[in-house]
Amino acid sequence: EDKVVQSPLSLVVHEGDTVTLNCSYEVTNFRSLLWYKQEKKAPTFLFMLTSSGIEKKSGRLSSILDKKELSSILNITATQTGDSAIYLCALVPQGGSEKLVFGKGTKLTVNP
Amino acid sequence: NAGVTQTPKFQVLKTGQSMTLQCAQDMNHEYMSWYRQDPGMGLRLIHYSVGAGITDQGEVPNGYNVSRSTTEDFPLRLLSAAPSQTSVYFCASSYSVFEGSYNSPLHFGNGTRLTVT
Repeated sequence: EDKVVQSPLSLVVHEGDTVTLNCSYEVTNFRSLLWYKQEKKAPTFLFMLTSSGIEKKSGRLSSILDKKELSSILNITATQTGDSAIYLCALVPQGGSEKLVFGKGTKLTVNP
Repeated sequence: NAGVTQTPKFQVLKTGQSMTLQCAQDMNHEYMSWYRQDPGMGLRLIHYSVGAGITDQGEVPNGYNVSRSTTEDFPLRLLSAAPSQTSVYFCASSYSVFEGSYNSPLHFGNGTRLTVT
């Protein structure tokens, strides 16, 4: 039973489109939710979300956490081919356990 | 600025062979971990360590051993490789993970692609 579910699993868009990636989770008590971008090698950190309703923004990327809906979204506006990657969501649990739980990721392909 | 270094980058083993995947970090991170990534499965935690001398199992520990004799190094050992262990392995580290102070993202190495035939 997956605790972190990402949707869609894959997405193909054209340059300039805006995309919204979803991350839903079952755990109600957690420290933070992380977003990573993975191109060909190591995942690279995008955002850490700890408070509901506060948007984090970096250039064309933004993310927000909704603890009431047990979900987070990652938005990318004016997509570019360089945004093509797997986007991973991870939950940092409470209670001293350091077993981060990752979703399966969303594979985004941006075509020129 | 090395960060997290994994070696080797690629490895091919025959069933039954043993090997060690190396991971070193130069950021004085207490927390280190090993993940495997398979198509459609995301990142799954194998083993992790919250400090030198301390290790614990993750989600998929069978077939793997770890040790943490120093803060910098966290090797992953495959004692008898099986085709099911064909995967990409990532090592990751972060700062202190004690209750209330863990608030930093994982730093990943570039991965080791392992094929077991």
